[in-house]
Amino acid sequence: GQQVMQIPQYQHVQEGEDFTTYCNSSTTLSNIQWYKQRPGGHPVFLIQLVKSGEVKKQKRLTFQFGEAKKNSSLHITATQTTDVGTYFCAGLPMKTSYDKVIFGPGTSLSVIP
Amino acid sequence: EPEVTQTPSHQVTQMGQEVILRCVPISNHLYFYWYRQILGQKVEFLVSFYNNEISEKSEIFDDQFSVERPDGSNFTLKIRSTKLEDSAMYFCASSRGTATEAFFGQGTRLTVV
Repeated sequence: GQQVMQIPQYQHVQEGEDFTTYCNSSTTLSNIQWYKQRPGGHPVFLIQLVKSGEVKKQKRLTFQFGEAKKNSSLHITATQTTDVGTYFCAGLPMKTSYDKVIFGPGTSLSVIP
Repeated sequence: EPEVTQTPSHQVTQMGQEVILRCVPISNHLYFYWYRQILGQKVEFLVSFYNNEISEKSEIFDDQFSVERPDGSNFTLKIRSTKLEDSAMYFCASSRGTATEAFFGQGTRLTVV
């Protein structure tokens, strides 16, 4: 079946270091979304990427969508303790119902002050 | 800021009992979703709902599950005969359109004993 994978599963960084999580889909995606879930919280939408090769920035966060629209990455520059949480990518496979977004397993980020 | 609200925040039920989880989506949203997250694991799609009917459902959403929009504001998930493995956090989400940002509620933690 269609799968969305993420690596790494866990990442521990010193405050100020950079962090990257990678998302890979077994099928081509129409778009990809990124969500952040704080410990004990609910997923909160960060961004949506639609175009092949698209790059979007939000302050210290940089999101990329691969040329083949099968992978994506989220890069955080100079992490802060407020960045702690689990980052999920969520892909919408092409040629499927628009409603069935598939979440990746998430990358859990810990930031050591 | 409008938000998705879910009640109750925590539900404990005996195995075999029926439970109803309630959600009030954002008022001008047209698409509604239920997701499940077993503790420490990824967010799993259960079902999407549009125009008063199910538009997509996953393999998890078997005959034990049903959804309903009984009035203009509530969106409910019913589990007919709960099993131990139904214990999880259940998130309701809504969106304005297809393939757009989904807003998640705070979740209902269901514990089946």
